[in-house]
Amino acid sequence: DAKTTQPTSMDCAEGRAANLPCNHSTISGNEYVYWYRQIHSQGPQYIIHGLKNNETNEMASLIITEDRKSSTLILPHATLRDTAVYYCIVRVVGAGSYQLTFGKGTKLSVIP
Amino acid sequence: EAGVTQFPSHSVIEKGQTVTLRCDPISGHDNLYWYRRVMGKEIKFLLHFVKESKQDESGMPNNRFLAERTGGTYSTLKVQPAELEDSGVYFCASSPRGGIGYGYTFGSGTRLTVV
Repeated sequence: DAKTTQPTSMDCAEGRAANLPCNHSTISGNEYVYWYRQIHSQGPQYIIHGLKNNETNEMASLIITEDRKSSTLILPHATLRDTAVYYCIVRVVGAGSYQLTFGKGTKLSVIP
Repeated sequence: EAGVTQFPSHSVIEKGQTVTLRCDPISGHDNLYWYRRVMGKEIKFLLHFVKESKQDESGMPNNRFLAERTGGTYSTLKVQPAELEDSGVYFCASSPRGGIGYGYTFGSGTRLTVV
């Protein structure tokens, strides 16, 4: 699976949009981008995933650049409960291992 | 629907003892995974079941760890004998058949402390 690079930490004001970037410059054509988060002392929580089109669900939006070398997770109206470590994970879908490779992620602090 | 359930939530054991962690996946989920985070490290994959069969156990650290999934339902992860470096949080996750296109649902984890 391709390697991802994320900022170590970010702050966001409550009520504002949180934009979390992820670089995955070595991504291959059959690799999806997944986002998970881990709120303190809980298990990781799936947020969203995509291949090349932008995706939106009730939690977030995922914007993937046209060359697929980077993506941005957008939390449109961050709340204090969104304070967590966010993980960007790239993996092949369709064959082989189902492993998720967690990196260090981005620690997002939502500030009142 | 009920989520992924893990118990115990916490376990403190002495070095050399045996501990068994249990995971109940979401009903109907064929795929079950074990992950762990040891102190100061990243979350790491341990193994993957499809129903009762081990699909991938490449992440199991050594033969002190034994995972089973009887009848393709709940799973247990036994550590015998436990060592100090086994301390950490053990997570279980599940996903539906063909779950590669889905997100995994994780449990809240079992915090294991070996003293």
